[in-house]
Amino acid sequence: ETGVTQTPRHLVMGMTNKKSLKCEQHLGHNAMYWYKQSAKKPLELMFVYNFKEQTENNSVPSRFSPECPNSSHLFLHLHTLQPEDSALYLCASSQVSGGRQDEQFFGPGTRLTVL
Amino acid sequence: SQKIEQNSEALNIQEGKTATLTCNYTNYSPAYLQWYRQDPGRGPVFLLLIRENEKEKRKERLKVTFDTTLKQSLFHITASQPADSATYLCALDPGGASKIIFGSGTRLSIRP
Repeated sequence: ETGVTQTPRHLVMGMTNKKSLKCEQHLGHNAMYWYKQSAKKPLELMFVYNFKEQTENNSVPSRFSPECPNSSHLFLHLHTLQPEDSALYLCASSQVSGGRQDEQFFGPGTRLTVL
Repeated sequence: SQKIEQNSEALNIQEGKTATLTCNYTNYSPAYLQWYRQDPGRGPVFLLLIRENEKEKRKERLKVTFDTTLKQSLFHITASQPADSATYLCALDPGGASKIIFGSGTRLSIRP
């Protein structure tokens, strides 16, 4: 596969469930991102990982827990979510070099519905 | 506070005309400005990047301008086609490793 892949594409979960979103990039990039996209709202950056190290946590509630085991894989662990967390969750990657990040490549997203 | 606005939520134009989308920002001094296209059910796709010292950038039927005095970028699609129908996002990039800030997008519809 090429580019950025995300699984699952759709997820429905109850507020007491625990689930995980997976992202994999096949582009050799060294930075990965999680975004939340709600209807008619701008993309909200949630987490940033550079070289597997978390460099940004944009005041995200602790019910969202990221994990980056290597530079190609990124997970978002979900537990005790709220209905307002229903959204499209997008993963992206980019190359950071010389203190500068290039354009971001996005996956297709996971459409999450919390009941 | 920092703010980025895209001129309208939706824009409908006739096929063959030039579509012009606007991105305005305040309290921000981006080093770069990026434009992305997003189709329904898909992630955004990068289109063009323009630097603060560039006035204009072109790629095929796309043209982007960047006016740091007006704090505005214009995105043009010439000879528009129904296949150009999508949501277009502008994104401010301060440079370095700082995070990119996205606008909420303009949904463009090209009618045959």
